[in-house]
Amino acid sequence: AQSVAQPEDQVNVAEGNPLTVKCTYSVSGNPYLFWYVQYPNRGLQFLLKYITGDNLVKGSYGFEAEFNKSQTSFHLKKPSALVSDSALYFCAVRRGNFNKFYFGSGTKLNVKP
Amino acid sequence: GAGVSQSPSNKVTEKGKDVELRCDPISGHTALYWYRQSLGQGLEFLIYFQGNSAPDKSGLPSDRFSAERTGGSVSTLTIQRTQQEDSAVYLCASSLDGRTQETQYFGPGTRLLVL
Repeated sequence: AQSVAQPEDQVNVAEGNPLTVKCTYSVSGNPYLFWYVQYPNRGLQFLLKYITGDNLVKGSYGFEAEFNKSQTSFHLKKPSALVSDSALYFCAVRRGNFNKFYFGSGTKLNVKP
Repeated sequence: GAGVSQSPSNKVTEKGKDVELRCDPISGHTALYWYRQSLGQGLEFLIYFQGNSAPDKSGLPSDRFSAERTGGSVSTLTIQRTQQEDSAVYLCASSLDGRTQETQYFGPGTRLLVL
């Protein structure tokens, strides 16, 4: 079965500090991995994706994520958090030739001034 | 350009009534998806349309749920005889051609409350 796990319901970090939001996946075959962000009362916004190639992917708003095949992880990172980064973050995976996205349960990021 | 739009933004209904939720995908996108987001939960896949192909309905939770896509563009999700557990945010997304590496672009969602 395909699945995505976001082990932390909530992450708290101080503004200016680095942040990490964790994601691990289970999928047969090659995974396509995505991160989305959801601000209150808004739809999901695309941040970045890993399809193939360089394991370090850079995306919107200074975020990046590293694909680690051996650990089946795709953690989202940012070197210096902003208060405006506070939102709900979702990791998602698809595999080749299958239509479905499998989403994690989401991680609420709180960045405090 | 315009993004994915959904209407209504909010819907309050009584248990047992039918509701229709509408999605307008990004112009030119052939793939369209419906998801459900319950409070404190991740996104649950409901249904997928790709061009003129038969839709993937494998995520629909019961036969009270149905969806159609007319003319390869606008889609309507219908919930018959609504139940309180149907209360959730219903999100629509579209992508250019449905390939697995394509990014999905989401609408703002319809917040459904069944009393």
